[in-house]
Amino acid sequence: NAGVTQTPKFRVLKTGQSMTLLCAQDMNHEYMYWYRQDPGMGLRLIHYSVGEGTTAKGEVPDGYNVSRLKKQNFLLGLESAAPSQTSVYFCASSASGYNEQFFGPGTRLTVL
Amino acid sequence: AQTVTQSQPEMSVQEAETVTLSCTYDTSENNYYLFWYKQPPSRQMILVIRQEAYKQQNATENRFSVNFQKAAKSFSLKISDSQLGDTAMYFCAFMKQGGSEKLVFGKGTKLTVNP
Repeated sequence: NAGVTQTPKFRVLKTGQSMTLLCAQDMNHEYMYWYRQDPGMGLRLIHYSVGEGTTAKGEVPDGYNVSRLKKQNFLLGLESAAPSQTSVYFCASSASGYNEQFFGPGTRLTVL
Repeated sequence: AQTVTQSQPEMSVQEAETVTLSCTYDTSENNYYLFWYKQPPSRQMILVIRQEAYKQQNATENRFSVNFQKAAKSFSLKISDSQLGDTAMYFCAFMKQGGSEKLVFGKGTKLTVNP
């Protein structure tokens, strides 16, 4: 039981490049979330999903897209990376909206 | 919109002593949940304790307990018998019941336990 895993762990991009972050969970959770963590800012919600095939915007969705084609996977895409997207990205999942959210180990992304 | 405020950016405590981390929040909701998460240097986010707003009894988990004051919108975390492994960032978080399923985090308190 791996819990929540994220791929990759580190990535460096140039401005304008695109990439996809993959989140996978093996707990059969319905809900999945993407957060970003910036110094002194805490975690902020980017997008979330309440079930396979659904997505919704969080607090800071601009510049990101997501997809939930399979229940166990939640993808976060950056179409044209900007330096302002340099951050640590966390994925989380939960059985329902009221249950504990389990977090992945994070992805450190640097955009030059 | 809900906001969560942690007024102590950094705190330190001696090993085996007790420390209290502060958290206040702003909401017009009556039903919600409150959480404390720990983030050690490994960066992994770990749930420490959870409180349902409808429960008057304060939650406890071993050495961790909360002081939940609903009217004052205050949710402090007390760590007893502090251990070196408690050194971490601690985040207070709020979740509205019904509809949003979203955690709103404070900016965190960096706790250092000194030997």
